[in-house]
Amino acid sequence: QVHLQQWGAGLLKPSETLSLTCEVSGGSLNFYYWTWIRQPPGKGLEWIGETNHNGRSTYNPSLKSRVTMSVDTSKKQFSLSLNSVTAADTAVYYCARGSLSSTSQTFDSWGQGTLVTVSS
Amino acid sequence: QSVLTQPPSVSGTPGQRVTISCSGSSSNIGSKTVNWYQQIPGTAPKVLIYGTNQRPSGVPDRFSGSKSGTSASLAISGLQSEDEANYYCAVWDDSLKGVFGGGTKLTVL
Repeated sequence: QVHLQQWGAGLLKPSETLSLTCEVSGGSLNFYYWTWIRQPPGKGLEWIGETNHNGRSTYNPSLKSRVTMSVDTSKKQFSLSLNSVTAADTAVYYCARGSLSSTSQTFDSWGQGTLVTVSS
Repeated sequence: QSVLTQPPSVSGTPGQRVTISCSGSSSNIGSKTVNWYQQIPGTAPKVLIYGTNQRPSGVPDRFSGSKSGTSASLAISGLQSEDEANYYCAVWDDSLKGVFGGGTKLTVL
């Protein structure tokens, strides 16, 4: 049973860079797509993007200019970086395992979520 | 405003059957498979239906998914109090990439 454990800074100031890491245990990083999803307080889910062990990444067009995702197969970790944050980026951020296909939108394992608050 | 439209809320009494709709377009639901997630507030979402109508192991057969044209539906039969949660559809869009519906709050009366 794959398990995702995520961590990162929970309080940022406007214009700073959000950085989150998700570690995979109980399964391989290979072959799957690894995804970041966020949820503003009291609102719905938003897909941020996905990456795989080959470094192939696809991002939400509305966030693409600010997002970078990466994978470290040796540490079985994948990461999210979102620069120039504003209050609108305040949300719970989840990492999740996608499927073997980049277009399936099937996420079968999730991290515990990290609340990131952007405030001056 | 999501490209996938869900009703904000639905309700039902224990034992009833309820359905939650997800309306999209030819660039998403019309040409891709649909997934449904259940989220109890304060917890991470859980996949209920994948591949439009497939249930992961452990998901009761009270939950079923279907699709017709550019709309998809999640049906819950034999409604139980523990089904009270938020439900989201998710699908790939040719232009917008990964998209979620706005979510539907299910209340068990």
